[in-house]
Amino acid sequence: QQQVKQSPQSLIVQKGGISIINCAYENTAFDYFPWYQQFPGKGPALLIAIRPDVSEKKEGRFTISFNKSAKQFSLHIMDSQPGDSATYFCAASTIGGATNKLIFGTGTLLAVQP
Amino acid sequence: ETGVTQSPTHLIKTRGQQVTLRCSSQSGHNTVSWYQQALGQGPQFIFQYYREEENGRGNFPPRFSGLQFPNYSSELNVNALELDDSALYLCASSWRAGGSETQYFGPGTRLLVL
Repeated sequence: QQQVKQSPQSLIVQKGGISIINCAYENTAFDYFPWYQQFPGKGPALLIAIRPDVSEKKEGRFTISFNKSAKQFSLHIMDSQPGDSATYFCAASTIGGATNKLIFGTGTLLAVQP
Repeated sequence: ETGVTQSPTHLIKTRGQQVTLRCSSQSGHNTVSWYQQALGQGPQFIFQYYREEENGRGNFPPRFSGLQFPNYSSELNVNALELDDSALYLCASSWRAGGSETQYFGPGTRLLVL
């Protein structure tokens, strides 16, 4: 019940296209859903995050869509650029719990072809 | 404002040895979490420190231990190293105020156990 399932495992998108990565969770106590971007040899960097009281959040070319009833959320990268090529992780946690630990998905390796 | 820093960047140890990894939290943050990221996997929560005490632990054996100091920096100690301990060890800091939220990651320490 603590798992976060992420798909696809890898994704190839043409420059200018839309990249879509999906995640699903089981634990209904989760109330914070961040996405992290990680380049090789670097630590994960927070990209965008959402709370379950909204269904969508947009920051620049990055949008999170959240479906509380389906327990799913997704990351959309509009106008994908070669510089977006990285590994993307979704995560979930419970704010206000005894421990705010992040449960990560398995990652999606995105390659944006020029 | 300085970000999360970790030292050393790389480390090679042999099986059975002990290792200490260090983390300096981002300015203004009072909570430190440690994660283990095996190659090709998402980060796995090891434990979290708040007010110099362990505040939650993941599914890791007692040979993984830690400390948090009054300046909020932290150490991760691993005893009796095993080959499977080879991984990227990530430190993340956050501000715990009524439930910490965003965790900011350092660049990690790459540990190789031979």
